[in-house]
Amino acid sequence: DAKTTQPTSMDCAEGRAANLPCNHSTISGNEYVYWYRQIHSQGPQYIIHGLKNNETNEMASLIITEDRKSSTLILPHATLRDTAVYYCIVVPNFGNEKLTFGTGTRLTIIP
Amino acid sequence: NAGVMQNPRHLVRRRGQEARLRCSPMKGHSHVYWYRQLPEEGLKFMVYLQKENIIDESGMPKERFSAEFPKEGPSILRIQQVVRGDSAAYFCASSPGTGEAGYTFGSGTRLTVV
Repeated sequence: DAKTTQPTSMDCAEGRAANLPCNHSTISGNEYVYWYRQIHSQGPQYIIHGLKNNETNEMASLIITEDRKSSTLILPHATLRDTAVYYCIVVPNFGNEKLTFGTGTRLTIIP
Repeated sequence: NAGVMQNPRHLVRRRGQEARLRCSPMKGHSHVYWYRQLPEEGLKFMVYLQKENIIDESGMPKERFSAEFPKEGPSILRIQQVVRGDSAAYFCASSPGTGEAGYTFGSGTRLTVV
């Protein structure tokens, strides 16, 4: 599986957009980009995923560069409850591959 | 539609006892994955199972740990002769096994070995 690189930590003011970058320069054509987050010690929560087109759902937007070597997760109006560790994971679209978690980005929302 | 159910939520065992952790996948999901998270560390893959089969156990310690996913009933992660270093949060995830569908995680079991 392709490896990902994320900043260790980020801060964002409450109410502002949080933009979390992820580099995945070795991604291959059949690999999707998935984003999960873990709030405190809860189970990881699915946020969004995409292949090459930008995606949006009720939680976030995912912007994938044209060469697919990097992506950005956008939380449009961050709240204190968005404080969590965010993981960017690349996985083949087989639906039966394990997810390999890196160290993620610890996002802190500042009141 | 119930999510991934893990029980117990908290489990305390004395050193040398056995720990059994259960995971019931989402309805329609036939693939189960177990992860371990040591205190202040990241999630580490342990084992991936389909019904009655172990697909990938590359992250499972060679001794004392075993996993199963029988035809009927939940997946079980068994830890024999627990030691203090086994204290961790154990998470289970499930997927339908095909397509883009995301992997859904349970709330985890916190194992404390005293």
